[in-house]
Amino acid sequence: DTGVSQDPRHKITKRGQNVTFRCDPISEHNRLYWYRQTLGQGPEFLTYFQNEAQLEKSRLLSDRFSAERPKGSFSTLEIQRTEQGDSAMYLCASSSGLASSVGYTQYFGPGTRLTVL
Amino acid sequence: DAKTTQPPSMDCAEGRAANLPCNHSTISGNEYVYWYRQIHSQGPQYIIHGLKNNETNEMASLIITEDRKSSTLILPHATLRDTAVYYCIVRVGTNAGKSTFGDGTTLTVKP
Repeated sequence: DTGVSQDPRHKITKRGQNVTFRCDPISEHNRLYWYRQTLGQGPEFLTYFQNEAQLEKSRLLSDRFSAERPKGSFSTLEIQRTEQGDSAMYLCASSSGLASSVGYTQYFGPGTRLTVL
Repeated sequence: DAKTTQPPSMDCAEGRAANLPCNHSTISGNEYVYWYRQIHSQGPQYIIHGLKNNETNEMASLIITEDRKSSTLILPHATLRDTAVYYCIVRVGTNAGKSTFGDGTTLTVKP
């Protein structure tokens, strides 16, 4: 079990550019979550997938944001036309989805720190 | 998901027990209490969770009151590496989606 991995760990971009982040969940975890965290705040939910199906999206996920999980394994989060307000840590988490409280425990990756200049 | 209330900050002496409280007075019968911690610039780390019984693992103990309206996370022998933000979350243990994080408690372990 290698844990949740995210790539890149840091991204600096200019306002208006598009960025894409990748998340690889723990092997065989069928649920994958994206969160955003700004400085001094707790993580805020963005969206989650069960296998390849996107089951819930937060109001925070504007139309400039899109998330995919095409084969039910890794996921990508794309932000189009980045704005300075998008600067944050983007966190990915996964859970096995097995029908138990252990199965619904979310394990987080290290995050991708985005800075929009 | 129920809202939780935690003190914004706490200090603890190294080697002593750290007791972190959490109020969740509106918790529902099917909601679990989860604890995570986040060390600066890292992702949240799962610590422990429970429904109504006290729980213990290699990291910590979780004490849930009988009425389930509050809980305490206990780090039995705090070390400097336990300095972090600790989050208490309540969420359903069934088809659960999001976790709703508050601002957590910043625990500072001092030598």
